[in-house]
Amino acid sequence: DTAVSQTPKYLVTQMGNDKSIKCEQNLGHDTMYWYKQDSKKFLKIMFSYNNKELIINETVPNRFSPKSPDKAHLNLHINSLELGDSAVYFCASSPGQNQPQHFGDGTRLSIL
Amino acid sequence: GESVGLHLPTLSVQEGDNSIINCAYSNSASDYFIWYKQESGKGPQFIIDIRSNMDKRQGQRVTVLLNKTVKHLSLQIAATQPGDSAVYFCAEMSMDSSYKLIFGSGTRLLVRP
Repeated sequence: DTAVSQTPKYLVTQMGNDKSIKCEQNLGHDTMYWYKQDSKKFLKIMFSYNNKELIINETVPNRFSPKSPDKAHLNLHINSLELGDSAVYFCASSPGQNQPQHFGDGTRLSIL
Repeated sequence: GESVGLHLPTLSVQEGDNSIINCAYSNSASDYFIWYKQESGKGPQFIIDIRSNMDKRQGQRVTVLLNKTVKHLSLQIAATQPGDSAVYFCAEMSMDSSYKLIFGSGTRLLVRP
């Protein structure tokens, strides 16, 4: 019973395609996040939702659009994929904004 | 701007020894700090956290020390084991940055048998 689960684990696709990554948490947390980890292991927040409301929206290309259908889910849709989008994307959740965040195991996105 | 950095990119220790991983932060308004462990192919795993009203917190084999005067954070791992080999990240958070968790660049810990 994984706490924060992401699908797919690996995603290989061509430049210009549109893809989605799904995230679900069964911890009953109110806040969910998307992070991007680059090839140098640097982790940076992209978005944060609290009770389905967007609260953090970092400087991310508008090709990236998060969607939270309910408190337990936060999906990430990416349009017109570019080579620079290749990275590992992590979903996380926390009970509240100022609480420990629990991470999924990531989605490795590779753009050909 | 806000930044969190680490002094050593790689730390190699003998199994059974104690490990100390250091982290410097630049935002004096940060009031919450977390250490994460990331193993290959996995997501960051919460180890221990500390709030700015404390200067020390202990967990199982781990201790976090916070020195607000010099904006320094450290993670001490007692009796380091092969399973402790991973990349360790410190992260900081403050209300004035909308509670964004800002990660440092990471330290790789290698445990020699």
